[in-house]
Amino acid sequence: DSGVTQTPKHLITATGQRVTLRCSPRSGDLSVYWYQQSLDQGLQFLIQYYNGEERAKGNILERFSAQQFPDLHSELNLSSLELGDSALYFCASSVGGSYTDTQYFGPGTRLTVL
Amino acid sequence: EDKVVQSPLSLVVHEGDTVTLNCSYEVTNFRSLLWYKQEKKAPTFLFMLTSSGIEKKSGRLSSILDKKELFSILNITATQTGDSAIYLCAALTGGYQKVTFGTGTKLQVIP
Repeated sequence: DSGVTQTPKHLITATGQRVTLRCSPRSGDLSVYWYQQSLDQGLQFLIQYYNGEERAKGNILERFSAQQFPDLHSELNLSSLELGDSALYFCASSVGGSYTDTQYFGPGTRLTVL
Repeated sequence: EDKVVQSPLSLVVHEGDTVTLNCSYEVTNFRSLLWYKQEKKAPTFLFMLTSSGIEKKSGRLSSILDKKELFSILNITATQTGDSAIYLCAALTGGYQKVTFGTGTKLQVIP
């Protein structure tokens, strides 16, 4: 158990819908990262938050948004869902804000869009 | 403790040169080796390597993994100024689903 929790574990929804994925970082970690992984692709970096503020933005679609709350948990909102959004969404956390800090991953949320 | 070491730390080359970036790892429960290109703040995924000896190619970039010797190389041929960036490699390990990044290689391509 990495100490990073993600809910829900699995989500099935229809196209056009909106979902919220939730992540709680390890105790003491200030950074939260969101990744998308589809099939055999590597981790596609979406966005990073550090201590409540957006630190870096990757290939995140405009239909997606995220935030980190004062208690450091983070939510990733996916709207107007398309079939291609079906993937495993990972959240990771690290102590600092540098990308080379070791990141600990949550178990992931598997999103299926029908 | 899991460790990923990249070399060189930094290099400067002229456009058109070929470069080889190295990444060695000592981790437990190895799953895959990842390469990223980082410009400004956000990294871009390049390759994921899981099997030894199979080269992955994308345009002028290619990478290969040697699981026996625990290293990977990233080759960039005919470099362009747009290749200037920090190149990160990372080892993905099972169990705790952890990714350990190397410190990166800073590549500068000059005209």
